[in-house]
Amino acid sequence: GDSVTQTEGPVTVSESESLIINCTYSATSIAYPNLFWYVRYPGEGLQLLLKVITAGQKGSSRGFEATYNKETTSFHLQKASVQESDSAVYYCALGDRRGSALGRLHFGAGTQLIVIP
Amino acid sequence: DAGVTQTPRHEVAEKGQTIILKCEPVSGHNDLFWYRQTKIQGLELLSYFRSKSLMEDGGAFKDRFKAEMLNSSFSTLKIQPTEPKDSAVYLCASSLRLGVNYAEQFFGPGTRLTVL
Repeated sequence: GDSVTQTEGPVTVSESESLIINCTYSATSIAYPNLFWYVRYPGEGLQLLLKVITAGQKGSSRGFEATYNKETTSFHLQKASVQESDSAVYYCALGDRRGSALGRLHFGAGTQLIVIP
Repeated sequence: DAGVTQTPRHEVAEKGQTIILKCEPVSGHNDLFWYRQTKIQGLELLSYFRSKSLMEDGGAFKDRFKAEMLNSSFSTLKIQPTEPKDSAVYLCASSLRLGVNYAEQFFGPGTRLTVL
């Protein structure tokens, strides 16, 4: 089926260190996978962090970046130097942009990131 | 513009009760989604409306879960009868879909349901 697997949390990183949260997907019934990272900061609702709809391209936002790799079916989230304000729960998601499935998202389980000052 | 509004924010129900959760999407948005979030299962899609038409009704959730879109600015999710395993956070999201391109989903704060 269609699914997303991501790094199991919590992930604890010291401020200014680098971060990678792994995400791999299975898109057996999705013809045109789109990939997303959503984030939920403490006390706030889930919000889009970045998206990539074309394989081989990179998305970036707030210092985070992720590259859509069709060969390895991966969409890892990376940041060179994290800040305490990056502490949040990050969700990788897979979407289909064709036909009646347009708009439907499959979410990973979420990865809690804790940044230590 | 106001974001997605959900009420109530917290709900406690006895097993067997009927509860109704409410959602107001972002004004002008034409797609609406209901998700359930638990620690074990993560985010699961319950229902998906496109311009008020039900596109997906969540398969396994059909028997006791019913989502309706009464008009373009209001949706309800009814759970009848509730069971303890329904305890979760219920999220509503909306998006403005233009043509065939993906539209960002905007999420509400969620309703935390506890079934005793």
